[in-house]
Amino acid sequence: DGGITQSPKYLFRKEGQNVTLSCEQNLNHDAMYWYRQDPGQGLRLIYYSQIVNDFQKGDIAEGYSVSREKKESFPLTVTSAQKNPTAFYLCASSIGGFGQPQHFGDGTRLSIL
Amino acid sequence: GENVEQHPSTLSVQEGDSAVIKCTYSDSASNYFPWYKQELGKRPQLIIDIRSNVGEKKDQRIAVTLNKTAKHFSLHITETQPEDSAVYFCAASRGNFNKFYFGSGTKLNVKP
Repeated sequence: DGGITQSPKYLFRKEGQNVTLSCEQNLNHDAMYWYRQDPGQGLRLIYYSQIVNDFQKGDIAEGYSVSREKKESFPLTVTSAQKNPTAFYLCASSIGGFGQPQHFGDGTRLSIL
Repeated sequence: GENVEQHPSTLSVQEGDSAVIKCTYSDSASNYFPWYKQELGKRPQLIIDIRSNVGEKKDQRIAVTLNKTAKHFSLHITETQPEDSAVYFCAASRGNFNKFYFGSGTKLNVKP
């Protein structure tokens, strides 16, 4: 969806470095999500936020952190504590509530230098 | 928590044939089931979804069926075309939290 913008498209991380992935949406959606996708696997939830200034851990939150200071923005930081960060990261947003689809950005591919 | 299993992991069909992908879920409280199509290196895109108060939904060549008793749902693609080649993901969700649990994906290859 053109309403969700992820940047950068490709990102390289050095050992011991924190990196931040950007996710912006102009759909006026309340809920936002971060997923990790490894080759040949499904999407695993890292963090999600139902409303500004509130967020919850997903299934694989260790080594990641997020903030939700603005409705349209939900950046994800991959910290040095995440020992295997190489993956495709997808951000999504939703109106929220029952039975609403999530809409995805184009993703960021993170690799280790 | 919810566990969604998806089969098969790969599926190869001849152009014009039908393709069926099946998912099972473990949480009987799940009540929303979307299907996404993901082309290589691109974003997942919603192709069809179904809510628990409906047994079947159809949109042109795509249909989804839901069996709440057996806790499984299926994606049916008829008259497949080469552009249907992609990875398809099912998901299950419940309540107002809209937290999705995804299957592991099915790579569909439609041979011309």
